[in-house]
This record gives sequence, structure tokens and C-alpha cells, in this order.
Amino acid sequence: EIVLTQSPGTLSVSPGEGATLSCRASQTVNSNYLAWYQHRPGQAPRLLIYDASSRASGIPDRFSGRGSGTDFTLSISRLEPEDFAVYYCHQYGGSLPYTFGLGTKLEIK
Amino acid sequence: QVQLQESGPGLVKPSETLSLTCTVSGDSMNNMYWSWIRRPPGRGLEWIGYISYTGITNYNPSLKSRVTISVDTSKNQFSLKLSSVTAADTAVYYCARGGWSMDCWGQGTLVTVSA
Repeated sequence: EIVLTQSPGTLSVSPGEGATLSCRASQTVNSNYLAWYQHRPGQAPRLLIYDASSRASGIPDRFSGRGSGTDFTLSISRLEPEDFAVYYCHQYGGSLPYTFGLGTKLEIK
Repeated sequence: QVQLQESGPGLVKPSETLSLTCTVSGDSMNNMYWSWIRRPPGRGLEWIGYISYTGITNYNPSLKSRVTISVDTSKNQFSLKLSSVTAADTAVYYCARGGWSMDCWGQGTLVTVSA
């Protein structure tokens, strides 16, 4: 099973600034099959990035994903109030089971 | 715009079977895969499994012996059954569209396993 380690656990940032979230896999994620989701309390999780760097439909270009192999990052520029949420990475490229990270909470500084 | 909504009992007794249904609205289920994911309290997300519109399934090996996912495209629904539940199966259960990355999720439903 591929274990995804997200860091930091909590990130405090001021609106208008940028943030970079990390996701490290315990094994190579085949074909860079890694996604990022945003989860606001009481709402459905929202797909931001798939295949490591492709933005999902309707996602603003302030969100960008990078990485390959075992190291992946999600960058968010010019943070807006609605961006403060929990972010999860998810790999679907290795052997089963597909797995998620424990999440990074992005909070307002 | 596609929407997904989970439904089912919020309380299940230990050793019984948890049954949930996901109703898809706003789009056809054809040519797509459909997934179940859960989040136990205080823990991260756990992938349960997926089903294709034709009924092809893939399950988390840790749950495989207890899980059944089925689909009824005529009703625009797919379902989850988890047998022999214990307190460890208490979680918020989500349904989602997609078998790999998942581009649309339901809001989730809390299922508590307790006598």
C-alpha cells in the first residue's frame, strides 16, 4: 500500500499570499496518477488537480500541481477567503488500494 | 450539472449490514465509473471501491470480503453494502463520480455503528 504523507499538517497564511502544500509517497506513483481535493466543512470534496498537474474543470489557474515519482506539490497563489479549507492528495496509480493523505489544513493567519 | 446524494440509515447495529444508496442527478451514469469513499472520525479518507456503469467492480483489499457495490443505471443509482460491521466502520460515507480521480462528490452521510 502506498502511504501518502502530507505536510505541513496545518499551514497558516494571510489572504492574498501564496501557499505550497506537499505530498510525499512511500513508493513511486505510476504515471503520476495523483489528485488534489479541497474540502470545506459541510461541503462535498472538490477535485482541483488530477494526473499531478492537470486542473479540473472550472478550477482557477491560481491552483497548480507539480511533481512526479514520489514528490508532489499543490501551489495556491493569491489566497482568497474561500480557499481556506482542508486539502487532500490521493494516488490512484499504484497497486490497490488507492490511498489518500491525511490532509493539510490551510487556515487564515 | 451532475449532483450526487447519499441516502440510508444513519445507525447500524454491530454485525449487521450497512446499506447506502447514491442517487445521481443531472447526467447519465453511462460511460462512467462510480466510487465510494469513507472518513472515520478523526482519521483520513479511505477508498472503498468503484463500479463501472456495466458493473465492473474493484474493491479495497482490506474490505473486499465484506463489500458489495452494485449499480442500477435505470434508476440512476449505485449502492454500497458492507456486511458484519463493527464500530470501526463508523464514518462519513461519500459517493463520487470517477473510478480514479473523482470529479464530483456527494456531501456525505454519517453512519454510526452502535447497539
